[in-house]
Amino acid sequence: EIVLTQSPGTLSLSPGERATLSCRASQSVSSSYLAWYQQKPGQAPRLLIYGASSRATGIPDRFSGSGSGTDFTLTISRLEPEDFAVYYCQQYGSSQRTFGQGTKVEIK
Amino acid sequence: EVQLVESGGGLVKPGGSLRLSCAASGFTFSSYSMNWVRQAPGKGLEWVSSISSSSSYIYYADSVKGRFTISRDNAKNSLYLQMNSLRAEDTAVYYCARESSLGYCSGGSCYFSYLDYWGQGTLVTVSS
Repeated sequence: EIVLTQSPGTLSLSPGERATLSCRASQSVSSSYLAWYQQKPGQAPRLLIYGASSRATGIPDRFSGSGSGTDFTLTISRLEPEDFAVYYCQQYGSSQRTFGQGTKVEIK
Repeated sequence: EVQLVESGGGLVKPGGSLRLSCAASGFTFSSYSMNWVRQAPGKGLEWVSSISSSSSYIYYADSVKGRFTISRDNAKNSLYLQMNSLRAEDTAVYYCARESSLGYCSGGSCYFSYLDYWGQGTLVTVSS
């Protein structure tokens, strides 16, 4: 099973600031099969990024993903009020799909 | 519009059983692999199980293998999760999620994909 470790656990930032979230895998994620999801309280997760760097339909271009192998990053260039939420990475390169434990982006 | 609506959650005693359902609409259900993902209260997401479009390829997380059974009825546009021998640690919101069309299974192998649509979830509470 591929273990995904996200850091930091919590990120305290102000609107307009840049957010950088990390996702590290215990072994290489094949073909960059890495996705990022956003979840707000009481809501289902929403797909943001797939294939490590492709934005899902309707996702603003302030969200970007990068990385390969074992190290992946989600960047939010300028935080909007609606971006404060929990973010999860997920690998889907193996039959045992796994999620990271999440990074909470909170208002400072 | 793609819609996934889960049902069947509730309170069940340890050792008991429950069957979750997910009604799909707005897309050709029979063409997509489907997944169950759960989230314990205040915790992160945990992938539970997946089933290919024709039900030929089924996968489970180790934590539920041997206790849970995923199935689907393409004629009814429905996905199911039969949960037996339930434990307190199975308490969670259970989400039904569609796997994108980039995923497929063929010739004994599967290429998995990301989850592009999610339902709102149904809460399962295992407690005496």
